[in-house]
Amino acid sequence: GAGVSQSPSNKVTEKGKDVELRCDPISGHTALYWYRQSLGQGLEFLIYFQGNSAPDKSGLPSDRFSAERTGGSVSTLTIQRTQQEDSAVYLCASSVRGGIGEKLFFGSGTQLSVL
Amino acid sequence: AQSVSQHNHHVILSEAASLELGCNYSYGGTVNLFWYVQYPGQHLQLLLKYFSGDPLVKGIKGFEAEFIKSKFSFNLRKPSVQWSDTAEYFCAVTSGGSYIPTFGRGTSLIVHP
Repeated sequence: GAGVSQSPSNKVTEKGKDVELRCDPISGHTALYWYRQSLGQGLEFLIYFQGNSAPDKSGLPSDRFSAERTGGSVSTLTIQRTQQEDSAVYLCASSVRGGIGEKLFFGSGTQLSVL
Repeated sequence: AQSVSQHNHHVILSEAASLELGCNYSYGGTVNLFWYVQYPGQHLQLLLKYFSGDPLVKGIKGFEAEFIKSKFSFNLRKPSVQWSDTAEYFCAVTSGGSYIPTFGRGTSLIVHP
């Protein structure tokens, strides 16, 4: 596609339920990033994938969060047993190679609301 | 760990006013610096970046930013803002060989016509 695509754009869930957020990066981009933006906060790094390398999971806030990237393309962020503090906009970005100084292309995000 | 401070959280200006948004980072080594912008209803996009060379960087839509290493700063400027500059502005830094940008909290800019 022309840009980074995220789905769903909005997700409302009940506390304790699991959710899956999807990201389809720009074709040919080998690097993929997940960030979280809470109200009034900046972008909080969650996880980074680069090619076939092991992902950098250093930003995941708890073991309820996990992500995978299949075939070097589509990525899914899973949040298990959602809590109200998980409510945020989840942003996905991709870049050509993930090199230093590279421009990130962002999707429109998934607005997650946990009731 | 790297941290990025944007001290102005909300800025309100009239059209034609000059703009300067502050950005300071904590890591003192080699850095790459970015400003991203998010216009209402749109996704985040790159406004400008500093990689090396001339510390004064020109971006799109008349924006510029100056890297001052001694002050750990990368402030964004525009001499005359327009209503269409209303947006959220984020400063970001990569450093220490990391490929992962650290973002500031963002500054909400509202420009009144």
